[in-house]
Amino acid sequence: SQQGEEDPQALSIQEGENATMNCSYKTSINNLQWYRQNSGRGLVHLILIRSNEREKHSGRLRVTLDTSKKSSSLLITASRAADTASYFCATSLIFGGYQKVTFGIGTKLQVIP
Amino acid sequence: EPEVTQTPSHQVTQMGQEVILRCVPISNHLYFYWYRQILGQKVEFLVSFYNNEISEKSEIFDDQFSVERPDGSNFTLKIRSTKLEDSAMYFCASRTGPGNYGYTFGSGTRLTVV
Repeated sequence: SQQGEEDPQALSIQEGENATMNCSYKTSINNLQWYRQNSGRGLVHLILIRSNEREKHSGRLRVTLDTSKKSSSLLITASRAADTASYFCATSLIFGGYQKVTFGIGTKLQVIP
Repeated sequence: EPEVTQTPSHQVTQMGQEVILRCVPISNHLYFYWYRQILGQKVEFLVSFYNNEISEKSEIFDDQFSVERPDGSNFTLKIRSTKLEDSAMYFCASRTGPGNYGYTFGSGTRLTVV
């Protein structure tokens, strides 16, 4: 299965701390994406890292990708209460112009004010 | 910021009834998707649609499901005869083109089958 698996499944931290979420997957990928989902809402695309990239930044987000270990991590620095949400990694395989994206089960992050 | 719009936000239907979930993808996007998420579970792929036809569908997407892009803007998911286990959040997503692009998701339709 291409499916990503996030670790931990739940994480509770104090506001201002850093939050690190990990994702492991099983097959080759073309890119890996991270999404955020606030409770009962849709998924918001955060960042995409290609298979030939090792690290990417976007604001307070830092994503790493290690294709040799088939793993990725999402770091949120200086967390805020508004970061409370579920975070999903999604692995993507592209063939013939078609992209298949498969989601993991997510990490539920709680940031305590 | 362009958005994917889904309607209705919440639909309650009797078991056995037909439902149509509607989506308006971003106008210059070419690839369209439906995913669903049963409460507390992972986001599951249902179907992808490109060039007016289904590109791929999952095992979940059986004969009770169909998709349509009737007028070049709307993208609909129809469930012909709903079952209790169809209760879930249904998300529409679109993507601009082939290659390394993320999806833009709608805010979802919560379907409750009673």
